[in-house]
Formats: sequence, structure tokens, C-alpha cells
Amino acid sequence: TQLLEQSPQFLSIQEGENLTVYCNSSSVFSSLQWYRQEPGEGPVLLVTVVTGGEVKKLKRLTFQFGDARKDSSLHITAAQPGDTGLYLCAGALNSPDSNYQLIWGAGTKLIIKP
Amino acid sequence: DAMVIQNPRYQVTQFGKPVTLSCSQTLNHNVMYWYQQKSSQAPKLLFHYYDKDFNNEADTPDNFQSRRPNTSFCFLDIRSPGLGDAAMYLCATSRAQQETQYFGPGTRLLVL
Repeated sequence: TQLLEQSPQFLSIQEGENLTVYCNSSSVFSSLQWYRQEPGEGPVLLVTVVTGGEVKKLKRLTFQFGDARKDSSLHITAAQPGDTGLYLCAGALNSPDSNYQLIWGAGTKLIIKP
Repeated sequence: DAMVIQNPRYQVTQFGKPVTLSCSQTLNHNVMYWYQQKSSQAPKLLFHYYDKDFNNEADTPDNFQSRRPNTSFCFLDIRSPGLGDAAMYLCATSRAQQETQYFGPGTRLLVL
């Protein structure tokens, strides 16, 4: 069974603090996506990482793909209330038996308190 | 501009009464997916179409069916909704298999 372990599952912090969300697996991914989802809406793509060691920045969000393409992290600097939401990672497996499926992390429910 | 559109956004149905959810896309993507999501959990893939080829997940109940009459549209039919089928249903598309998926806003289904 392919797993993508996402942590923490829940995080509640004050505005202005920094935080990091992790997704880890024993599987090698051909790519990994990060999504943010607000209540009652569909997941919105934040970034896709493809290359091992890749770092992408989206304003205060920094995404990193591990060198071996088995893990990824999302770091938020100076969190704002507008960052509140469910963050999901999803990895595409580099395997002929999984030619369509994304492996999903369980999600991190993030609350930023003003 | 909306790229993946789902209608309706909210659907209320009665126990056992068939219901159809609709998805359309303007991206001209080859692959369309249907997911079920329950509160604050990861989406669970029900099935997907690669062009006209239908791929069902092994654990998707027979109660769930899908149709893709053309590239732009895909439908989710729930033949006899049970209380446990109340969830958010998400449609997604990708240009090709294993490429980035783009989601619609979802349809929240309530079963009474």
C-alpha cells in the first residue's frame, strides 16, 4: 500500500507565526502537488514540484521537494488569517501500475488566529 | 474564468432517489475524475475517464455510475443514494494521466 503521511493533521497558531507542513513517503513520486481547500470549495492548486531538490516560492509560501522525490514540505512565513484552510499534498507515482492515481496525504487543517 | 464547472453547487435528495451531478470543463483536458470527499478528509477517487475509456476504482460501490458523452462533460449518477453518500463530490481534470489535476468547486450532496 502506497502511503503519503502528512503532518501535522491540525495546527492552530497566531497570526505572524511561521509553520511547516510535511508530506513523507517511502515511494518515489514523478511529481507532487500542493492544494489549499476552503470550506465548501474544491481544492485549489498551489504548486507542482517535479525535480528532486526543487524549491518553489509563492509569496510567503515555500515548497520543497526532497532530493529523492519521496517527501515534500510547505513552509509559511508570517502566517495570515487568509492562510486558514485545509492543505493537501498529492503525489503522482512513477509506476506503470499507477498510471492515473494520485496518492493523497490526509490533509492539514490550518487555523490562523488574528 | 471558471475552467472546471460543477452543477449544482448544492443538491438535496431523498434516500433512494436517483441523483445526477454534472461537471464541465473548458480546458480540453483528456482526463476527467470524480472524487468523494467527507469532512476535512482527503478526496477519495471514485473513477476517471481517459478520453472515452472508463476506469473504476475497485472499492467504488456499484451505486455510483458515470457518463462522459463528450470531452467537455462528465456526469456522476448515484442510483440509490444512502445516508452515507452525503458528501462533497469533486470533479477534476488533467491534460494527461499523472499530470496536475485541476478541481471544480464541488457539489455538496445532502441525503434526507
